Amino acid sequence: QQQVKQSPQSLIVQKGGISIINCAYENTAFDYFPWYQQFPGKGPALLIAIRPDVSEKKEGRFTISFNKSAKQFSLHIMDSQPGDSATYFCAAVPGANSKLTFGKGITLSVRP
Amino acid sequence: DGGITQSPKYLFRKEGQNVTLSCEQNLNHDAMYWYRQDPGQGLRLIYYSQIVNDFQKGDIAEGYSVSREKKESFPLTVTSAQKNPTAFYLCASSIYPRVDLWGTEAFFGQGTRLTVV
Repeated sequence: QQQVKQSPQSLIVQKGGISIINCAYENTAFDYFPWYQQFPGKGPALLIAIRPDVSEKKEGRFTISFNKSAKQFSLHIMDSQPGDSATYFCAAVPGANSKLTFGKGITLSVRP
Repeated sequence: DGGITQSPKYLFRKEGQNVTLSCEQNLNHDAMYWYRQDPGQGLRLIYYSQIVNDFQKGDIAEGYSVSREKKESFPLTVTSAQKNPTAFYLCASSIYPRVDLWGTEAFFGQGTRLTVV
């Protein structure tokens, strides 16, 4: 049973465009939602995170939008650059727990 | 430099053998984790440890074992009972066991790619 579902499976965007990655979850106990970025041959690194008490969080070109009623959240990358080409994982954590549950990840390719 | 060191980077194992993957951190983090990454499967939690001498099974613990005798070390043994061990293994740590606490993040190592030959 996959608790965090990502879509699309892969994404190709032109340089300067907007990349949008979506995630949906079922477990209402989840209350912390981080996004991780992974470059080939490297470990993932935290990119940005949000809690359900806010609907949006922005850090530079990266924005998380959160819809609690729909149990969905998404990552928007504005002005996408070739250096953003990586695998992106959404994740979720239930309160008072250390277990990160990851989505399957999506591969983003930004073409010059 | 502080960080998480996994070794070796590449590991080849014959069928029926046990192998141990090393994970060391000098970040003084309490919690450590092992994940397995397969193409199209995301990251799946194998084991995690919140304090020394204590560890918990994750979602796919069968065929794996761990120990946490020292705060900085969390080795993973892939036993012969693991039916399909070929994968990319990632170790992570966080300063507190609760990664939902604001300012806490899980830091990952560079991974070990294990191949069964």
